[in-house]
Amino acid sequence: KQEVTQIPAALSVPEGENLVLNCSFTDSAIYNLQWFRQDPGKGLTSLLLIQSSQREQTSGRLNASLDKSSGRSTLYIAASQPGDSATYLCAVRGSYKLIFGSGTRLLVRP
Amino acid sequence: DAGVIQSPRHEVTEMGQEVTLRCKLISGHNSLFWYRQTMMRGLELLIYFNNNVPIDDSGMPEDRFSAKMPNASFSTLKIQPSEPRDSAVYFCASSSTDSTEAFFGQGTRLTVV
Repeated sequence: KQEVTQIPAALSVPEGENLVLNCSFTDSAIYNLQWFRQDPGKGLTSLLLIQSSQREQTSGRLNASLDKSSGRSTLYIAASQPGDSATYLCAVRGSYKLIFGSGTRLLVRP
Repeated sequence: DAGVIQSPRHEVTEMGQEVTLRCKLISGHNSLFWYRQTMMRGLELLIYFNNNVPIDDSGMPEDRFSAKMPNASFSTLKIQPSEPRDSAVYFCASSSTDSTEAFFGQGTRLTVV
């Protein structure tokens, strides 16, 4: 049974810092991994999708990497801004199911 | 495309009442997911449809929950009778296939009193 873990559960950093969020999963037989952002009381916004054959994806200040063999993904946020404050969720897709981690709550202090 | 659209955004109902949540998929998508989010359990998959057919309903809590796809672009999730422990945020999501990017709606916050 696939299990997804995200560390840390919460993170507080000063504005401008580069940071890394971690996601690990137990079953490497995945189709893809997706990173989402969730603002309080809002839905999930897709940030990046990495297919199982890919090593990384980039969008603006965000870079996500995938190491399928070790069951790990990282989301790198460069030059963090207060507007980046949100909960970040990773989800792995094996067959059709998206299995979510419990998220990392990020606070970027001005 | 306006994305995945859910209605209502908020629903407050009394225990024992029937509740119907609605979801409009992104045009051309044929995979549909219903998820429930709570503080205690995070995001849980309730049911998955592919091409209007329910493929996996193992996450549906009990017989009080039912879901349908009357056509390729629309789905409902019904709870009857509702109970306070059903209080949660319910999301639907769609993707073009079962291995591509999933897009989520804004969710329905359900409160059963």
